[in-house]
Amino acid sequence: DIQMTQSPSSLSAFVGDRVTITCRASLSVNGYLNWYQHKPGEAPKLLIYAASSLQRGVPSRFSGSGSKTDFTLSISGLQPEDFATYFCQQSYRTPFTFGQGTKLEIK
Amino acid sequence: EVRLVESGGGLMRPGRSLRLSCEFSGFTFEDYPINWVRQTPGKGLEWIGFIRGPAYGDSTKYAPSLSGRVSISGDDSQTTAYLQINRLRIEDTGVYFCVRDGSGGSSSGPWFDPWGQGVRVIVSS
Repeated sequence: DIQMTQSPSSLSAFVGDRVTITCRASLSVNGYLNWYQHKPGEAPKLLIYAASSLQRGVPSRFSGSGSKTDFTLSISGLQPEDFATYFCQQSYRTPFTFGQGTKLEIK
Repeated sequence: EVRLVESGGGLMRPGRSLRLSCEFSGFTFEDYPINWVRQTPGKGLEWIGFIRGPAYGDSTKYAPSLSGRVSISGDDSQTTAYLQINRLRIEDTGVYFCVRDGSGGSSSGPWFDPWGQGVRVIVSS
């Protein structure tokens, strides 16, 4: 299985800050990397697909980049509604695997 | 509107079988495979498997760690997918999500969109 490792596992920031979350794959996933936002009690939400494509309806303050094994999710100008847990996921090879999550909290 | 709603969770005894349902609307099973994903205390988010529509012979694929204990199927109306887990274990406790492969066959996919709200399963004696 392809192992996905996110860092940091938790992060505190102020409203208005820019934050970056990193996801590393144990082998190249060729850009088949997706990012999701998950709030307690809600369905997870797709933010970024194919490493850098913004899902329709997702604010442009979210962006993704990276290739092969190293990927980042950036959020610029944090809004109160952005405080949540973020997961990366590789869809290059089954079994599709997820990172352990990064919990973003308000400072 | 694309929608997926899971049902069938609850308290289950170890060793028993569980069948979850996923009623979906706003898209055709033919174009968008259905995946099941779970979130457990021990492993976090874990992909369980997917089913493709009749044009693909209702083909399925499962995570090797669960293969042999799980089965995903769809009904003839093509509006409901099912997940069956046999020989339940304590570590199967978690929230189970039904998820559409939102890529529609794109070469850049798959990606999971949207997700259902999830259904909680507790396995305990």
